[in-house]
Amino acid sequence: QSALTQPASVSGSPGQSITISCTGTSSDVGSYNLVSWYQQHPGKAPKLMIYEGSKRPSGVSNRFSGSKSGNTASLTISGLQAEDEADYYCCSYAGSSVWVFGGGTKLTVL
Amino acid sequence: QVQLQESGPGLVKPSQTLSLTCTVSGGSISSGSYYWSWIRQPAGKGLEWIGRIYTSGSTNYNPSLKSRVTISVDTSKNQFSLKLSSVTAADTAVYYCARGDGGTPGNYWGQGTLVTVSS
Repeated sequence: QSALTQPASVSGSPGQSITISCTGTSSDVGSYNLVSWYQQHPGKAPKLMIYEGSKRPSGVSNRFSGSKSGNTASLTISGLQAEDEADYYCCSYAGSSVWVFGGGTKLTVL
Repeated sequence: QVQLQESGPGLVKPSQTLSLTCTVSGGSISSGSYYWSWIRQPAGKGLEWIGRIYTSGSTNYNPSLKSRVTISVDTSKNQFSLKLSSVTAADTAVYYCARGDGGTPGNYWGQGTLVTVSS
């Protein structure tokens, strides 16, 4: 299983919307609706933001949304806020009881 | 709310075995349909799923680490553990324990513990 592909960085201004892509293969992202997204601030543990492709855990802002098309999953953050600046990681089930993460994307709020 | 806390040596010599324990509080490790995972992150790099154990004791491992990894559970202590053998400098990382389910490997995470492999 190879790591999922994410852009190294994205940026946006407060109030704008941004989208982070996560590209896998037909063996992972493309085969299962089991993509999750994590937010990680410096020195902190990751926090689950989206699971099963588009579901939000209790307490996560509805400004965060997830979707998928083919072998690519996406995380969209609308109404960008300063506190959204963090690293974001996607993760997909890859079959055979194995999970694979993406390389991570650094979001900068300008 | 469930809480997880990693513990273990912060320094391990090359070729030795890295051993970490995750203590679960706020709920029984045996209750519910949960998986208990280990995930690591080298400094400045991304996350890597190491493996998981189910409450039944069944395990699954990352194929790239499978030959060196053992995850076990001690329900009497509400803990699960990681052993990684024959470590090298490439195994230096922050190691996280996490609780997940069928939909995600980590809906609750520990704070992480740094393990450095060095002589």
